Amino acid sequence: AQSVAQPEDQVNVAEGNPLTVKCTYSVSGNPYLFWYVQYPNRGLQFLLKYITGDNLVKGSYGFEAEFNKSQTSFHLKKPSALVSDSALYFCAVWRLGGSYIPTFGRGTSLIVHP
Amino acid sequence: DAGVTQSPTHLIKTRGQHVTLRCSPISGHKSVSWYQQVLGQGPQFIFQYYEKEERGRGNFPDRFSARQFPNYSSELNVNALLLGDSALYLCASSPSPAQGSYEQYFGPGTRLTVT
Repeated sequence: AQSVAQPEDQVNVAEGNPLTVKCTYSVSGNPYLFWYVQYPNRGLQFLLKYITGDNLVKGSYGFEAEFNKSQTSFHLKKPSALVSDSALYFCAVWRLGGSYIPTFGRGTSLIVHP
Repeated sequence: DAGVTQSPTHLIKTRGQHVTLRCSPISGHKSVSWYQQVLGQGPQFIFQYYEKEERGRGNFPDRFSARQFPNYSSELNVNALLLGDSALYLCASSPSPAQGSYEQYFGPGTRLTVT
């Protein structure tokens, strides 16, 4: 079985400050990891993915994520938050090489204050 | 280019009825996946279709079925609707799983309300 935990329902950060949205996962074998963002009343948008290679992955809109195998984490980060980054963020995992059955986390609401 | 389109945008059905949701992928994308997103939760994977064949199935009852057509569009069918089926149903397309391209491009969803 595979699972994703996003331990924070909500993250609050001031505009211009760095932000981190946490994600830990559990999967047998090597993981394929994603971050998606969902704006109100809209579908999810792909931000970035990790398969293999460098542990620091860069994605859209200035976001990046750090894969940590020993801690089974894939935290989303951004050096300087914007008010427009306020949205719902989802982490997802599936087992690389297995059937495509992804598991999404419950989501973290990011609120960036002006 | 047009993104993933879904129809209808909203739908109200009564318990026990049947519903069909439709999805058109991004042009050139051959894979379509369906997800159920209940309010306050992350998307739950229902099906993936690639080249008209089912390539992945989530933990949903047999009341849920889907198919993909030669033009790569897809339908999700749900029979004998229950109140718990009320959710946002998301469709996503991706270019080609065979090429390791699994990032999904999501449509805006169909909001299904079962009364």
